[in-house]
Parts: sequence; C-alpha cells; structure tokens
Amino acid sequence: DAGITQSPRHKVTETGTPVTLRCHQTENHRYMYWYRQDPGHGLRLIHYSYGVKDTDKGEVSDGYSVSRSKTEDFLLTLESATSSQTSVYFCAISEDGGDTDTQYFGPGTRLTVL
Amino acid sequence: GQQVMQIPQYQHVQEGEDFTTYCNSSTTLSNIQWYKQRPGGHPVFLIQLVKSGEVKKQKRLTFQFGEAKKNSSLHITATQTTDVGTYFCAGPGNNDMRFGAGTRLTVKP
Repeated sequence: DAGITQSPRHKVTETGTPVTLRCHQTENHRYMYWYRQDPGHGLRLIHYSYGVKDTDKGEVSDGYSVSRSKTEDFLLTLESATSSQTSVYFCAISEDGGDTDTQYFGPGTRLTVL
Repeated sequence: GQQVMQIPQYQHVQEGEDFTTYCNSSTTLSNIQWYKQRPGGHPVFLIQLVKSGEVKKQKRLTFQFGEAKKNSSLHITATQTTDVGTYFCAGPGNNDMRFGAGTRLTVKP
C-alpha cells in the first residue's frame, strides 16, 4: 500500500462544530484528493490539490475547505459540521494527475455528525 | 458534466457462480480504471484499460473496454468468498476522476 495515513480514523462530533481531517503522504506525489463515500453515491470528489497552496473544487465542495501548506499534508475542514456531512472520507494521491494516472487511497475517516 | 453510471448496485451470488458489473459513461473516455474495495477497507486499483475494444485478464477477472470507449465491464468467473467487496469503475473528468456508484458483491459459501 502507498504511504498514506489519515487522522483521525473515527470522529463523532456535534452539529455546528468545526472539524479538520488530515491526510499525510510519504510518496511525494503532486496531486492529493478528498472524497466522501456515501451509500448509492460511490466516491464523490470534494476538493483536490495539484501542488502546495494550489487547490480546486470538486463535485461536492459546499461546506468544505482545504489547505495544503506542505507537499505531504492535505487538510480538509468542515467549518460548521452538519448531519449531512456524516460520511466516510477518503484521501487519495496520484503522481501527476494525468488521465491515466492511478489513484492510491488512504484508509479513510468515518465521521459522524450528531 | 461527464457521468459514469454503474449497474447493478448490488449482486448476491452463490460461490462458484459468475458475476458481471457494467459501467457506462455519458462521454467518450480516454481510459477507464477499475478499483476494488473490501468491506471496511479502502479502494484499491485493479487495472486500467486504454484501447478501444481492449480486453485484459487477471486470473478469474476479465475486463473489457467497449469499442466506442463509453462502456466497460468486469466479469468474474467462478466467484470465491475472497471476491466480496464493492467494485468501482472510474473515468477521467476535468482534472479529476469520476467514479461510478459501485457494485457491491456478496458471495454465499
């Protein structure tokens, strides 16, 4: 498995609280992604990064922000968590983001918003 | 925007039976990738198809890419309990990868 870790692995929080999820890679890959996975929807892209301080929105970015201050770390922040953000969050990395590039996924974070 | 649709959503088979999942894109794809996610795990890359009409095999798994490069299938021959999980297809979008909703396979011993 690629060197990708996510923290925390599980979190329970209350509506309205801020939450930050961390993704850390040791592969020195340029691209990093945050997905959420919900039953019946597969994996939906929230935000991605194509370099330090370079980020862009994905399909379901509302309510989420990201930051990438170092190549190895990509943070996902829920400024004010809502119950609709209860989900499993996966970080992924890829080498150059090209069409044929393979994505490697982290172990996931299960977030429950009460 | 580009969409990737996958059917069926669920498939339950008896061990030894065959299994097929189908993937369709609303647009022509430059390539298609397949991933497997074991229960409680994370998606893991299986294979990539690039050429029109391409067929690739991995032991009991056969992957096909349609002639028009808009559809693909994954066929498993004689399923085993180790095949359980969710199988995703994915195609490139605008600077991202668009995943199908996945087919969840369960196998009864």
